[in-house]
Amino acid sequence: AQKVTQAQTEISVVEKEDVTLDCVYETRDTTYYLFWYKQPPSGELVFLIRRNSFDEQNEISGRYSWNFQKSTSSFNFTITASQVVDSAVYFCALSEAIGGGSYIPTFGRGTSLIVHP
Amino acid sequence: NAGVTQTPKFRVLKTGQSMTLLCAQDMNHEYMYWYRQDPGMGLRLIHYSVGEGTTAKGEVPDGYNVSRLKKQNFLLGLESAAPSQTSVYFCASTLPPPQETQYFGPGTRLLVL
Repeated sequence: AQKVTQAQTEISVVEKEDVTLDCVYETRDTTYYLFWYKQPPSGELVFLIRRNSFDEQNEISGRYSWNFQKSTSSFNFTITASQVVDSAVYFCALSEAIGGGSYIPTFGRGTSLIVHP
Repeated sequence: NAGVTQTPKFRVLKTGQSMTLLCAQDMNHEYMYWYRQDPGMGLRLIHYSVGEGTTAKGEVPDGYNVSRLKKQNFLLGLESAAPSQTSVYFCASTLPPPQETQYFGPGTRLLVL
């Protein structure tokens, strides 16, 4: 079983539509971190957000917002009024402790978002 | 401040050849990681290091070796390349928790024929 599940392999929307990318994770730890990264067609990985397990406050950054719900082990990402430049692969990641204070991240398989003009 | 750099950017190998990928970071980060990215598989951790002189296996370590002789460098070696190692390789570095945001290099595209 995957520790981080991004069930949506590909999403296609038209510009200005809102879109939500789902992320469900699995962990037994009480302390962990969740991340979202963006990988545009150019290939680099861009950090978007980090959230620790004790902070369930939702966050908004411009057109981006994140909904963290521990009760459903989900950390979903919404883009409001999508733009063509949002076209990318988006990865959700979970970082858990492995002992000795080390944390090891596990990535989901990614969701490819295509925004059509 | 260059961040995380990777050398080379692209390489073609023949089956059985060896090579070393270099990752360098100038942020004084303790942790460094090597991932491979294959279509539909996301990023999978190959090896990681939590400090100079220490390395550990990740999810897919077979066929790879690593070394962290200096804090700023993390080398990934392929002793005998196989076509299954055709992939895009990413290096990343972080500070220890809780400042644990990964900074990624630009990637190395490797083709093994």
